[in-house]
Amino acid sequence: EADIYQTPRYLVIGTGKKITLECSQTMGHDKMYWYQQDPGMELHLIHYSYGVNSTEKGDLSSESTVSRIRTEHFPLTLESARPSHTSQYLCASRGRGYEQYFGPGTRLTVT
Amino acid sequence: AQKVTQAQTEISVVEKEDVTLDCVYETRDTTYYLFWYKQPPSGELVFLIRRNSFDEQNEISGRYSWNFQKSTSSFNFTITASQVVDSAVYFCALRGNAGGTSYGKLTFGQGTILTVHP
Repeated sequence: EADIYQTPRYLVIGTGKKITLECSQTMGHDKMYWYQQDPGMELHLIHYSYGVNSTEKGDLSSESTVSRIRTEHFPLTLESARPSHTSQYLCASRGRGYEQYFGPGTRLTVT
Repeated sequence: AQKVTQAQTEISVVEKEDVTLDCVYETRDTTYYLFWYKQPPSGELVFLIRRNSFDEQNEISGRYSWNFQKSTSSFNFTITASQVVDSAVYFCALRGNAGGTSYGKLTFGQGTILTVHP
């Protein structure tokens, strides 16, 4: 069983606000990922990290940014939220195996 | 390029029926890995199974079974005697292993919504 946490679980925020979605894992996994899941269910990789101080953009262009200062922590930040950012954001991590383990997700609504 | 297709957008069954979720994939990699994930209404993705391309042996875990056929590029998932708690979105995913893509990118299918009625 993987231990990966995301906060908040639900967030409703007004346009223009800065927000940070938190993701933490206690497994010591080097690789971490952020996915955006639109209402049509499809998952899109928006950011990933090999390890501390390593971050890369994923397949889907995103206005968000990430940081990886500690192995266990991979926060995602939106400097100025817009209604188009309304989505579910899922964080995942991977150790030496091939499977990714996912957190519970953050449902973001920007009004 | 990699692609995963789950042609069934939605499936509705009555409890105790067997149901099969289809997954077809495309990849040029000779070594690759296939996965199934379950996403219940609570939102998290739960890892169910991983299959390596060099291991075509089918697998059974309780009421769940998986049929991997390289010849047809398919990795289908069957739930026997379905239960209401099986209601969820199910995703098939593929990870290639070529070109040093070590970050382990997963390509997901579009997902299949399974509803099991009492």
